Amino acid sequence: EVQLVESGGALVQPGESLRLSCAASGFTFSIYWMAWVRQAPGKGLEWVATIKPDGTEEYYLGSVRGRVSISRDNVKTSLYLQLNSLRAEDTARYYCVRVAHEWVLDNWGQGTLVAVSS
Amino acid sequence: DIVMTQSPFHLPVTPGEPASISCRSTQSLLHRNGYNYLDWYLQRPGQSPQLVIYLGSNRASGVPDRFSGSGSGTDFTLKISRVEAEDVGVYYCKQAFESPWTFGQGTKVEIK
Repeated sequence: EVQLVESGGALVQPGESLRLSCAASGFTFSIYWMAWVRQAPGKGLEWVATIKPDGTEEYYLGSVRGRVSISRDNVKTSLYLQLNSLRAEDTARYYCVRVAHEWVLDNWGQGTLVAVSS
Repeated sequence: DIVMTQSPFHLPVTPGEPASISCRSTQSLLHRNGYNYLDWYLQRPGQSPQLVIYLGSNRASGVPDRFSGSGSGTDFTLKISRVEAEDVGVYYCKQAFESPWTFGQGTKVEIK
């Protein structure tokens, strides 16, 4: 069974940093693209970032590029999202998502909540 | 960026009756490989999103056959032939034709 378990969400002040983690199990992590998708409270879904299986390619939402970094450790079967210079508009639940063929988001974690407030 | 627009925003449904959600994109999602890069996701209340339909018309594993997806290019439809109580939640369409991947604003399906 595919499992994606996020952690690292917290209440932080504007300008601070946070590192989200996602522990993956139940599938061969190293052959899948992975992504982060976020959802602000009461709002819709927003794709944030995607990373290639070997970690050599990354893609970002324009509004987070330069402040956010996606990475992975295929030995630890873990996905990460480094969030820097956090803003109030980054407040959201962040989902770790497995990317299947043709960019289909076929498995989602339960999410971890990031709240940015002074 | 490709903008995805769903309608209706809110859909009250009667159990056993059909339901239909529309999704339109500002540019064609039909790739030269023949795939429409359009998926549908359901987020049940208090849960994470789950895949329902991928590449326009393919049911995800475990999705009942009362769900169907159709359309091509810029116009897509998700249909539920006979709504059941477990189908309530917010449905999102998503395009992956080009980056950034974008979602529709969501359609909330509720039982009347």
